[in-house]
Amino acid sequence: EDQVTQSPEALRLQEGESSSLNCSYTVSGLRGLFWYRQDPGKGPEFLFTLYSAGEEKEKERLKATLTKKESFLHITAPKPEDSATYLCAVLNYGGSQGNLIFGKGTKLSVKP
Amino acid sequence: DARVTQTPRHKVTEMGQEVTMRCQPILGHNTVFWYRQTMMQGLELLAYFRNRAPLDDSGMPKDRFSAEMPDATLATLKIQPSEPRDSAVYFCASGLVKPLQAGEQYFGPGTRLTVT
Repeated sequence: EDQVTQSPEALRLQEGESSSLNCSYTVSGLRGLFWYRQDPGKGPEFLFTLYSAGEEKEKERLKATLTKKESFLHITAPKPEDSATYLCAVLNYGGSQGNLIFGKGTKLSVKP
Repeated sequence: DARVTQTPRHKVTEMGQEVTMRCQPILGHNTVFWYRQTMMQGLELLAYFRNRAPLDDSGMPKDRFSAEMPDATLATLKIQPSEPRDSAVYFCASGLVKPLQAGEQYFGPGTRLTVT
């Protein structure tokens, strides 16, 4: 069964304290891995898509990387406005086309 | 700035009542998704449409939930009769999905449903 597991469930950082969020996945064939950010009371906001192992993408203080079994979202020198829940999702080759399988997210809190 | 819109944003209703949620996808997107989010289960896919045709609704309780897409600018999710366990945030998302390509999904702001 296809599965996405995110860790930790919650992460508290001081402003400027860099860290990483983990997304491990088990799928029959990975077509893409997606990272989303979700603020309270809002819908998930698309951040990145990664397609193959070794790929990296960056946006401001965020960098996403992908291996054959997991993805990391690295946050460099975070600011309080980076506080949010970060969701990871995968799209597989098997089954129906286009439906994402989501992890339960990592809730990030950055204190000033 | 193209966005997915959803109405209503909040809905409080009594058990047994019918609830209809509406979604306007981003113009040009060919796929529309309905998700439900709870603290316990996270984001769960309920149903989705490609070019207005239903592709998969295996995530929905068939006896009370129905999803339709009467035209390219409107998707609806209906619950009849509603139950307290249906209380959740319901998201609509749309995307441009092409064969053998991963497509990003763009989410609406959600409908927070409370069934008492």
